[in-house]
This record gives sequence, structure tokens and C-alpha cells, in this order.
Amino acid sequence: EAGVAQSPRYKIIEKRQSVAFWCNPISGHATLYWYQQILGQGPKLLIQFQNNGVVDDSQLPKDRFSAERLKGVDSTLKIQPAKLEDSAVYLCASSLDWGLAGAWGEQFFGPGTRLTVL
Amino acid sequence: GQQLNQSPQSMFIQEGEDVSMNCTSSSIFNTWLWYKQDPGEGPVLLIALYKAGELTSNGRLTAQFGITRKDSFLNISASIPSDVGIYFCAGHPSYAGNMLTFGGGTRLMVKP
Repeated sequence: EAGVAQSPRYKIIEKRQSVAFWCNPISGHATLYWYQQILGQGPKLLIQFQNNGVVDDSQLPKDRFSAERLKGVDSTLKIQPAKLEDSAVYLCASSLDWGLAGAWGEQFFGPGTRLTVL
Repeated sequence: GQQLNQSPQSMFIQEGEDVSMNCTSSSIFNTWLWYKQDPGEGPVLLIALYKAGELTSNGRLTAQFGITRKDSFLNISASIPSDVGIYFCAGHPSYAGNMLTFGGGTRLMVKP
């Protein structure tokens, strides 16, 4: 079974530029998550989708970050404009239907996109 | 900021030794989970705990859900070089059931 796919794996941009990350979850997983992992810290949830609807985006800096999952499968996370403090690894994860498996269904993580903002 | 306090931050041990790490919080958690993250990869689930007092093993790994629901520990017995990595505790706090919250990680280094 294929895992969670993310691209690109690495991205270097200058501050104030825009950047987008792509995620393809495990086939059949209804729930998709985006996390931000700053160097030396644990991942922090940014946004959670159930199919194409947002379950939780309380920790997403909405003035510059946006995410969508239009067809309920793959997802895009965008930062516009980027700041120096956005340098981090952006992890995508997916799990079975949150509504059926409960909030505690196992999350499977992709390899992440390492963003460096100069 | 982090809601989970994980310790120690790093450990450097000899191959064959046992390892213990723990996680505490001032809040009650509904679940406790332990992940391992290798360089350039996402975290991988090792053990999941769903009930206070629960003790679960996965090979050489053993974890427990604290009876107060505010702490958990992970033990690794007879460490081997491939145990090297960063171990994260995580859990679903009772005040935000859907939000998986991570600790700061324990970096484990094993000397052959």
C-alpha cells in the first residue's frame, strides 16, 4: 500500500515570496492533516480536513496560510507571503474516516517538505 | 506552545542498555501515543494507549498510560543501534479531542 506522498521535498524561498506544498493521502483515507514542525520541536497541527470540509483550523495563521482539499483527496497548503519564522518541515498525515474511527484513528505521516525562508 | 513536557531531551547510551523516557502535562489526556521519527521522514506510530492505567508492549517497547491521565512513559529494553532517532509522545487532550498534540521529543543516540 502506498504511503502519504508529499512534494516538493525541499524548497528554498526568500521572505515575502509565495510557496505551495502538495499532499496525496493514503487511498481511502477521509481525514487529512497538515502539521508544521519547527527544528527541535514536535509537530503542531495547522489544519484538519474531513473529506473536503475543514474540521479544525484554529492554529492556522490565516493571514498568510491557506489550505484546500477541493475534491476530498489531495490537498495543497499555501503560504503567502512567507516570513523567516515559517522555516520548518511541513508534514501531511492522513487517517481513516474521523467520524467512523473516532478522533483517535491512527495517523500516517508523509516524509514532509522542508521549507527554508531566507 | 507545547502542552506536553517530554524528558529527557536527549540520551546517549550504550548498546544493550535499557531506556526510559516520559511525558507529563498539566491537562488531562484522552489518549497517549508514542512516535519515532528518523531523519528526513515523518513520525511513525510505535504504541497507542487509550485507557488510564493501560500498559502495552510492542516488541522491546513498553508504554503506560498514567493513572492520572496526565502522564505516560516509554521504555525500550536492550537497545540496538537502529533505535537511534527522535521519540515523541503525543496525545489527544480532553479540552480539544480532535487535536493531536506532540511533546518536544527525546533524541536517542546508541553507541555500538
